[in-house]
Amino acid sequence: KQEVTQIPAALSVPEGENLVLNCSFTDSAIYNLQWFRQDPGKGLTSLLLIQSSQREQTSGRLNASLDKSSGRSTLYIAASQPGDSATYLCAVRGSGNTPLVFGKGTRLSVIA
Amino acid sequence: EADIYQTPRYLVIGTGKKITLECSQTMGHDKMYWYQQDPGMELHLIHYSYGVNSTEKGDLSSESTVSRIRTEHFPLTLESARPSHTSQYLCASSELGRSSGNTIYFGEGSWLTVV
Repeated sequence: KQEVTQIPAALSVPEGENLVLNCSFTDSAIYNLQWFRQDPGKGLTSLLLIQSSQREQTSGRLNASLDKSSGRSTLYIAASQPGDSATYLCAVRGSGNTPLVFGKGTRLSVIA
Repeated sequence: EADIYQTPRYLVIGTGKKITLECSQTMGHDKMYWYQQDPGMELHLIHYSYGVNSTEKGDLSSESTVSRIRTEHFPLTLESARPSHTSQYLCASSELGRSSGNTIYFGEGSWLTVV
Protein backbone atom coordinates (compact mmCIF):
# COMPACT_ATOMS: atom_id res chain seq x y z
CA LYS A 1 0.00 0.00 0.00
CA GLN A 2 1.38 3.41 -1.02
CA GLU A 3 2.38 5.71 1.84
CA VAL A 4 3.33 9.37 1.44
CA THR A 5 5.40 11.21 4.05
CA GLN A 6 6.10 14.92 4.19
CA ILE A 7 8.91 16.52 6.16
CA PRO A 8 8.91 18.83 8.02
CA ALA A 9 5.38 18.90 9.42
CA ALA A 10 5.69 22.64 10.04
CA LEU A 11 8.14 25.32 9.00
CA SER A 12 8.50 29.00 9.88
CA VAL A 13 10.85 31.22 7.86
CA PRO A 14 11.49 34.96 7.49
CA GLU A 15 10.31 36.67 4.34
CA GLY A 16 12.71 36.41 1.39
CA GLU A 17 14.16 33.01 2.29
CA ASN A 18 14.42 30.21 -0.25
CA LEU A 19 13.01 26.96 1.14
CA VAL A 20 12.57 23.29 0.30
CA LEU A 21 9.67 21.02 1.26
CA ASN A 22 10.19 17.28 1.09
CA CYS A 23 7.90 14.44 0.07
CA SER A 24 8.71 10.72 0.01
CA PHE A 25 6.64 7.76 -1.15
CA THR A 26 7.08 4.04 -0.58
CA ASP A 27 6.03 2.59 -3.95
CA SER A 28 8.03 4.02 -6.86
CA ALA A 29 5.55 2.68 -9.46
CA ILE A 30 3.70 5.97 -9.74
CA TYR A 31 1.89 7.57 -12.67
CA ASN A 32 2.32 11.15 -11.50
CA LEU A 33 2.91 13.34 -8.44
CA GLN A 34 1.08 16.53 -7.63
CA TRP A 35 1.79 19.38 -5.20
CA PHE A 36 -1.14 21.31 -3.71
CA ARG A 37 -1.62 24.35 -1.54
CA GLN A 38 -4.37 24.53 1.09
CA ASP A 39 -5.33 27.73 2.90
CA PRO A 40 -7.05 27.41 6.30
CA GLY A 41 -10.66 26.26 5.98
CA LYS A 42 -10.44 26.04 2.20
CA GLY A 43 -10.10 23.40 -0.48
CA LEU A 44 -6.89 22.45 -2.27
CA THR A 45 -5.34 24.34 -5.17
CA SER A 46 -3.11 22.41 -7.58
CA LEU A 47 0.36 23.97 -7.91
CA LEU A 48 2.40 21.59 -10.02
CA LEU A 49 1.93 18.15 -11.57
CA ILE A 50 4.92 16.01 -12.55
CA GLN A 51 4.44 12.98 -14.77
CA SER A 52 6.47 9.87 -13.90
CA SER A 53 8.64 10.43 -17.00
CA GLN A 54 9.55 14.00 -15.98
CA ARG A 55 12.26 15.20 -13.59
CA GLU A 56 10.89 18.63 -12.71
CA GLN A 57 8.23 21.27 -13.30
CA THR A 58 8.39 25.01 -12.75
CA SER A 59 5.75 27.66 -12.21
CA GLY A 60 6.88 31.14 -11.24
CA ARG A 61 8.78 30.96 -7.95
CA LEU A 62 7.92 27.27 -7.52
CA ASN A 63 10.01 24.35 -8.75
CA ALA A 64 9.12 20.73 -8.08
CA SER A 65 11.51 17.86 -8.73
CA LEU A 66 10.86 14.13 -8.90
CA ASP A 67 13.27 11.24 -8.34
CA LYS A 68 11.00 8.28 -8.89
CA SER A 69 13.61 5.60 -8.28
CA SER A 70 14.37 6.88 -4.80
CA GLY A 71 10.75 7.75 -4.03
CA ARG A 72 11.32 11.43 -3.42
CA SER A 73 10.03 14.82 -4.54
CA THR A 74 10.94 18.31 -3.42
CA LEU A 75 9.09 21.60 -3.74
CA TYR A 76 11.42 24.59 -3.89
CA ILE A 77 9.96 28.03 -3.14
CA ALA A 78 12.17 30.97 -4.05
CA ALA A 79 12.09 34.35 -2.30
CA SER A 80 9.26 33.40 0.05
CA GLN A 81 6.48 35.92 0.81
CA PRO A 82 3.91 36.14 3.63
CA GLY A 83 1.26 35.22 1.04
CA ASP A 84 2.96 31.83 0.64
CA SER A 85 1.84 30.90 4.17
CA ALA A 86 -0.37 27.81 3.81
CA THR A 87 -0.24 24.03 4.09
CA TYR A 88 1.49 22.32 1.18
CA LEU A 89 0.42 18.78 0.32
CA CYS A 90 2.06 16.19 -1.86
CA ALA A 91 0.00 13.42 -3.52
CA VAL A 92 0.92 10.52 -5.78
CA ARG A 93 -1.18 8.58 -8.25
CA GLY A 94 -0.36 4.96 -9.01
CA SER A 95 -0.81 3.29 -12.37
CA GLY A 96 -4.22 2.11 -13.55
CA ASN A 97 -6.09 5.33 -12.81
CA THR A 98 -6.00 4.73 -9.06
CA PRO A 99 -7.00 7.62 -6.77
CA LEU A 100 -4.42 9.98 -5.30
CA VAL A 101 -2.68 9.15 -2.01
CA PHE A 102 -1.93 12.26 0.05
CA GLY A 103 0.72 13.12 2.61
CA LYS A 104 -0.19 14.96 5.82
CA GLY A 105 1.26 18.22 4.51
CA THR A 106 3.80 20.81 5.61
CA ARG A 107 2.38 23.89 7.33
CA LEU A 108 4.43 26.89 6.18
CA SER A 109 4.51 30.28 7.89
CA VAL A 110 6.42 33.12 6.22
CA ILE A 111 7.06 35.94 8.68
CA ALA A 112 7.19 39.54 7.38
CA GLU B 1 -9.72 28.39 -12.14
CA ALA B 2 -11.63 25.29 -11.13
CA ASP B 3 -15.41 25.18 -11.62
CA ILE B 4 -16.40 22.86 -8.82
CA TYR B 5 -18.90 23.93 -6.20
CA GLN B 6 -19.92 22.58 -2.83
CA THR B 7 -22.96 23.44 -0.72
CA PRO B 8 -23.46 24.05 2.09
CA ARG B 9 -20.09 25.52 3.08
CA TYR B 10 -20.89 25.34 6.79
CA LEU B 11 -23.58 23.32 8.54
CA VAL B 12 -24.46 22.52 12.15
CA ILE B 13 -27.03 19.76 12.62
CA GLY B 14 -28.37 17.60 15.43
CA THR B 15 -27.56 13.94 15.98
CA GLY B 16 -29.76 11.59 13.99
CA LYS B 17 -30.56 14.06 11.22
CA LYS B 18 -30.19 13.19 7.55
CA ILE B 19 -27.89 15.46 5.55
CA THR B 20 -26.86 15.65 1.89
CA LEU B 21 -23.73 17.53 0.87
CA GLU B 22 -23.94 18.76 -2.70
CA CYS B 23 -21.10 18.84 -5.23
CA SER B 24 -21.31 20.04 -8.83
CA GLN B 25 -18.67 20.59 -11.50
CA THR B 26 -19.02 22.27 -14.87
CA MET B 27 -15.83 20.93 -16.45
CA GLY B 28 -17.36 17.74 -17.84
CA HIS B 29 -15.02 15.59 -15.75
CA ASP B 30 -15.78 11.88 -15.56
CA LYS B 31 -14.00 11.22 -12.26
CA MET B 32 -15.27 12.67 -9.00
CA TYR B 33 -14.17 12.11 -5.41
CA TRP B 34 -15.15 12.80 -1.82
CA TYR B 35 -12.42 13.25 0.79
CA GLN B 36 -12.77 13.69 4.54
CA GLN B 37 -10.26 15.86 6.39
CA ASP B 38 -10.12 16.59 10.10
CA PRO B 39 -8.36 19.87 11.08
CA GLY B 40 -4.59 19.56 10.66
CA MET B 41 -4.83 16.00 9.45
CA GLU B 42 -4.41 14.29 6.09
CA LEU B 43 -7.12 13.77 3.50
CA HIS B 44 -8.85 10.41 3.45
CA LEU B 45 -10.68 9.20 0.34
CA ILE B 46 -14.18 8.00 1.26
CA HIS B 47 -15.91 7.66 -2.12
CA TYR B 48 -15.11 8.04 -5.82
CA SER B 49 -16.78 7.62 -9.19
CA TYR B 50 -15.48 7.00 -12.71
CA GLY B 51 -18.67 8.19 -14.37
CA VAL B 52 -22.46 8.00 -14.38
CA ASN B 53 -23.80 5.03 -12.37
CA SER B 54 -20.29 4.23 -11.10
CA THR B 55 -19.48 4.56 -7.39
CA GLU B 56 -16.68 3.02 -5.33
CA LYS B 57 -15.72 3.11 -1.67
CA GLY B 58 -12.41 4.68 -0.78
CA ASP B 59 -9.71 3.82 1.74
CA LEU B 60 -11.53 5.15 4.78
CA SER B 61 -14.64 3.35 5.89
CA SER B 62 -17.55 5.76 5.92
CA GLU B 63 -21.22 5.51 6.86
CA SER B 64 -22.07 7.91 4.07
CA THR B 65 -23.43 7.02 0.64
CA VAL B 66 -23.04 8.65 -2.78
CA SER B 67 -24.83 8.62 -6.11
CA ARG B 68 -23.83 9.60 -9.65
CA ILE B 69 -26.93 10.01 -11.77
CA ARG B 70 -25.51 12.92 -13.79
CA THR B 71 -21.92 13.57 -14.84
CA GLU B 72 -21.79 16.98 -13.17
CA HIS B 73 -23.36 16.03 -9.84
CA PHE B 74 -21.97 13.83 -7.02
CA PRO B 75 -23.93 14.24 -3.78
CA LEU B 76 -22.90 12.64 -0.48
CA THR B 77 -25.57 11.62 2.05
CA LEU B 78 -25.44 10.79 5.75
CA GLU B 79 -28.67 9.00 6.72
CA SER B 80 -28.22 9.54 10.47
CA ALA B 81 -25.54 12.03 11.49
CA ARG B 82 -23.42 11.43 14.61
CA PRO B 83 -20.86 13.67 16.38
CA SER B 84 -18.10 11.43 14.96
CA HIS B 85 -19.09 12.68 11.49
CA THR B 86 -17.96 16.21 12.40
CA SER B 87 -15.28 17.04 9.83
CA GLN B 88 -14.51 18.88 6.60
CA TYR B 89 -15.70 17.14 3.44
CA LEU B 90 -13.91 17.97 0.20
CA CYS B 91 -15.24 17.18 -3.26
CA ALA B 92 -12.89 16.91 -6.24
CA SER B 93 -12.95 16.02 -9.94
CA SER B 94 -10.54 15.12 -12.74
CA GLU B 95 -10.61 13.91 -16.33
CA LEU B 96 -10.67 10.17 -16.92
CA GLY B 97 -8.15 10.07 -19.78
CA ARG B 98 -4.43 10.78 -19.63
CA SER B 99 -4.31 13.78 -21.96
CA SER B 100 -4.36 16.34 -19.16
CA GLY B 101 -2.17 14.38 -16.77
CA ASN B 102 -5.17 13.89 -14.52
CA THR B 103 -4.87 17.19 -12.65
CA ILE B 104 -7.40 17.08 -9.84
CA TYR B 105 -9.50 20.10 -8.91
CA PHE B 106 -11.04 20.63 -5.48
CA GLY B 107 -14.09 22.47 -4.21
CA GLU B 108 -13.91 24.83 -1.23
CA GLY B 109 -15.13 22.16 1.17
CA SER B 110 -18.15 21.65 3.42
CA TRP B 111 -17.63 21.99 7.18
CA LEU B 112 -20.06 19.73 9.02
CA THR B 113 -20.61 19.90 12.78
CA VAL B 114 -22.93 17.38 14.42
CA VAL B 115 -24.07 18.29 17.91
